Amino acid sequence: EAGVAQSPRYKIIEKRQSVAFWCNPISGHATLYWYQQILGQGPKLLIQFQNNGVVDDSQLPKDRFSAERLKGVDSTLKIQPAKLEDSAVYLCASSLGHGSGRIPPGAGGSEAFFGQGTRLTVV
Amino acid sequence: SQKIEQNSEALNIQEGKTATLTCNYTNYSPAYLQWYRQDPGRGPVFLLLIRENEKEKRKERLKVTFDTTLKQSLFHITASQPADSATYLCALARSGGYNKLIFGAGTRLAVHP
Repeated sequence: EAGVAQSPRYKIIEKRQSVAFWCNPISGHATLYWYQQILGQGPKLLIQFQNNGVVDDSQLPKDRFSAERLKGVDSTLKIQPAKLEDSAVYLCASSLGHGSGRIPPGAGGSEAFFGQGTRLTVV
Repeated sequence: SQKIEQNSEALNIQEGKTATLTCNYTNYSPAYLQWYRQDPGRGPVFLLLIRENEKEKRKERLKVTFDTTLKQSLFHITASQPADSATYLCALARSGGYNKLIFGAGTRLAVHP
């Protein structure tokens, strides 16, 4: 079974430039996450999709970050314009999900599968 | 506000000993708690899930406990090996929610020969 694919693996840009990351989740996974992981910290959830709808983007800096999930499969995350503090690893993950995405009591299939991430350096 | 806390200090242990990592949470009612392993330059890898109505879960050399009264999970690796050296993350998802996984900062484990 193919895992979660992300590209590019590394990206260096100057501040105020724009950048886009791409994610292809595991086939059949309804839930897709984008996380930001700053060195030495845990992953911070930016946005979560259930199929092609957003179910949580409460921590997404919407003035500069945007994301979409085309046809409920691939996803792109964009930053425009980038700031120095955006330097981090951007991780995409997917999980099986359950229909509407809400967790039934005792449900399994909730574990997340992560890609290798994109390391972004803003200079 | 919701908070998930893991030991920020690295844990150094001798090969063969049992490693115990802690995950504490506040202002949260998780449906379940998950543990992940993360190696440098890689994405986290799922290890174990324990539900709110479970006290303990085991998988090979791994054991997880979940105490919803103490709001704490303990993650044990028995007979530890240098290959177990990594950062271990706990993640929680709230009951009735959309499987929104919130992660702690992780604890780095170093197992010395």
